[in-house]
Amino acid sequence: QKEVEQNSGPLSVPEGAIASLNCTYSDRGSQSFFWYRQYSGKSPELIMSIYSNGDKEDGRFTAQLNKASQYVSLLIRDSQPSDSATYLCAVEGSGGSNYKLTFGKGTLLTVNP
Amino acid sequence: DADVTQTPRNRITKTGKRIMLECSQTKGHDRMYWYRQDPGLGLQLIYYSFDVKDINKGEISDGYSVSRQAQAKFSLSLESAIPNQTALYFCATSDLYECRRNYEQYFGPGTRLTVT
Repeated sequence: QKEVEQNSGPLSVPEGAIASLNCTYSDRGSQSFFWYRQYSGKSPELIMSIYSNGDKEDGRFTAQLNKASQYVSLLIRDSQPSDSATYLCAVEGSGGSNYKLTFGKGTLLTVNP
Repeated sequence: DADVTQTPRNRITKTGKRIMLECSQTKGHDRMYWYRQDPGLGLQLIYYSFDVKDINKGEISDGYSVSRQAQAKFSLSLESAIPNQTALYFCATSDLYECRRNYEQYFGPGTRLTVT
């Protein structure tokens, strides 16, 4: 069974610090990777997509992908209290599981003022 | 207006009742998905549909059925609700852009279902 693993947290960082969220996955054939942010009681919101090895930056967010290590991470620079949420890592399936995403259970991030 | 809408947003029902959750989208996407989310268990795929004539079971389809009435509408039914189906239910959509692989999924606001 394809798995996506995340540290459940909570991860607590002070305002202005860098938050680092990590994710590992088991399906070596996966090519597409996503980070979603979910506030309590709300729906997941897509914040980053990454398809190639290396870094992808969007504002204060940087996604990092290492397919050889089957590892994807999300860095949040200058963390704000409004970043406090659960962050879900999602991985696209390969082969017959194309077009389906497997989600990790999420990491709860708390940014302290 | 929201791109993906779900009705109802909250529902309390009794064991054994039939209930339908509805999802509509204006994104023009072909693919639609139903997930449930339980605390500590993450998102689990119930059913997915790639077009009106293509419906597929997900990881946890037992006790659920779906209907794709049109490209924009995808309904989830609980034929005989049971308490362990109490959860947050999300509809999602995605599309495949020409010349680029794109599996980004966009979620509706969710339906909180309680079965007593």
